[in-house]
Amino acid sequence: ETGVTQSPTHLIKTRGQQVTLRCSSQSGHNTVSWYQQALGQGPQFIFQYYREEENGRGNFPPRFSGLQFPNYSSELNVNALELDDSALYLCASTSYRGEQYFGPGTRLTVT
Amino acid sequence: RKEVEQDPGPFNVPEGATVAFNCTYSNSASQSFFWYRQDCRKEPKLLMSVYSSGNEDGRFTAQLNRASQYISLLIRDSKLSDSATYLCVVNAGNNRKLIWGLGTSLAVNP
Repeated sequence: ETGVTQSPTHLIKTRGQQVTLRCSSQSGHNTVSWYQQALGQGPQFIFQYYREEENGRGNFPPRFSGLQFPNYSSELNVNALELDDSALYLCASTSYRGEQYFGPGTRLTVT
Repeated sequence: RKEVEQDPGPFNVPEGATVAFNCTYSNSASQSFFWYRQDCRKEPKLLMSVYSSGNEDGRFTAQLNRASQYISLLIRDSKLSDSATYLCVVNAGNNRKLIWGLGTSLAVNP
């Protein structure tokens, strides 16, 4: 296994609510990236954190926000949930060679 | 033009067949290249990093052609367990952001 963990594994929310997803990176990896993956699509880059600072962002609105903590774990927060936010949310930590190792993901359903 | 393009497939092949996946990328400044494998409703898993000289790992061979901005993955002697989606991934120039293709679906049939 990759050593990257995510919680929770599954989540059901209603439209308009807020959600926080969590990720613990592999030991020694200081870069964490978050992705959204809809069914049948490739992962879409949300943002990346490097040493507690945002280090790149994809085409996601500001209601998608994040944090990285001193131990390099990370959170993804989504406000004002929409039905289209239903997806698998993946966290990946990056090795010194640039390889990304993924956690098992959080499957979010918005009803 | 998409930043990373793959043939979506699906590829349906019999066990024992050789299958090749192709991927093109648009950013000539890209330095790192990877193939990932993703099983249905699971997270992507790193299959191979692609080095400039090409590299082989058992039945899997990856090649890079910088001039044509093209990456390939060859699977020999396909197994049923190779059935998955194969994702081509390229780094976005000189930062750590990765650009993902949409994936190529492979089904290996008995």
